[in-house]
Order: sequence, then structure tokens, then C-alpha cells
Amino acid sequence: DSGVTQTPKHLITATGQRVTLRCSPRSGDLSVYWYQQSLDQGLQFLIQYYNGEERAKGNILERFSAQQFPDLHSELNLSSLELGDSALYFCASSVDGGGYTEAFFGQGTRLTVV
Amino acid sequence: GQQLNQSPQSMFIQEGEDVSMNCTSSSIFNTWLWYKQDPGEGPVLLIALYKAGELTSNGRLTAQFGITRKDSFLNISASIPSDVGIYFCAGLDSGGGADGLTFGKGTHLIIQP
Repeated sequence: DSGVTQTPKHLITATGQRVTLRCSPRSGDLSVYWYQQSLDQGLQFLIQYYNGEERAKGNILERFSAQQFPDLHSELNLSSLELGDSALYFCASSVDGGGYTEAFFGQGTRLTVV
Repeated sequence: GQQLNQSPQSMFIQEGEDVSMNCTSSSIFNTWLWYKQDPGEGPVLLIALYKAGELTSNGRLTAQFGITRKDSFLNISASIPSDVGIYFCAGLDSGGGADGLTFGKGTHLIIQP
């Protein structure tokens, strides 16, 4: 158990809908990362938050957004869903947001868009 | 963005064999991490490397941070059935994680009975 909790574990929704994925980082970790994993793309970095502030953006679509709350949990919002958004979404957390730091992953949310 | 080339893409080995996989990059990383992912689970951190030339072991696993800071390898000795899974390398650049971790595409390890 990495200490990172993601909910829900599975999500099935229709195209055009909006969903929210939730992540609780390990106790004491200030940084949260979101990743998308699909079969053909591997693990793709989406966005990072550090202590409530956006720190870095990767290949995140404009239809996707995220935030980190004062209690440090984070939510990833996916809207106007398309079939191609079906993937595993992982959250990871680390103590700080800089280099020389280890990131620990949650078990992921499997999103299926039908 | 940065690219990590991880090889081999897959390995079919017999139980008890040693395994070696590696990652190379066109750019320098300050940290190399190796993860293992089981089906339906999140990646689990195996080994973290922070210094060029560093050699670190974790049980039957040994990983090294290349001197050029552009590569890393992972060795698994005397493989056992529970070693089956996908192994990912990940690099963190000197930008302090500004792009998050950059992951390789993974090495699928399959152990044949």
C-alpha cells in the first residue's frame, strides 16, 4: 500500500459527460501529480500541484482541469468526454515538488467512456 | 518533450534466469527511478537513484545511474514467478520536476515455466 488513495477505482460513463477523479496523497506529501496511462501512449504526465498551487503542466487537454484543496487532496475533472479518453488515470504524490524526490502512485481509476 | 528509450520492450525468460533492462535519454536527468506495475495496479517504486554512477540494490534488484546521467539500467537476479509485470524507468530532470517524471514505455517481463 503506497498510502495514496484514489477514488473511484472504476468509472463507466457516456461520451459528452463530465467526471471527477479524486486523489488523497500520502500523509505529509505536498505534491500531487496526475498521469494518464493508455495502451498505446504509456504513462503521460498531465499536471502537478504543489501545496495548492499549480506547479507544472504536461500533455493535459483543455477539457481537463485539476485542483488541489487546502487539505491537499486533489481532483481531476474531465469534461466533454470522448471515447479516446478511456484510460487508467493515476495520481502520485511526493514530499516536495522539486528534484531528488520519489513519487508514490495510487492504484488508479479506470475510466471507460462508451 | 523529453523522451526515454527503454529496452527491451518485452522479455521471455525462464525462472531462475537473470534479467537486464535499460533506459537511455537524449537529455540529462538528476534522478532515475525504477517502478514495477502489476495488472490493474499502480506503479510501485522499486529503486531510486540520485547520483551519477550510483549503484543501488534492493534484494535481487540492482540499478545503476549512468555516469553520463543519460542512462540507467536495472538487473534482476534469479528471477521468480512474482517478478512478472511491467517495469518502467522514470527520469526527473534538473528543472526540479517541472515536467513531472518522464517515463519509458516499459519492459514486459514474462517468465515461462
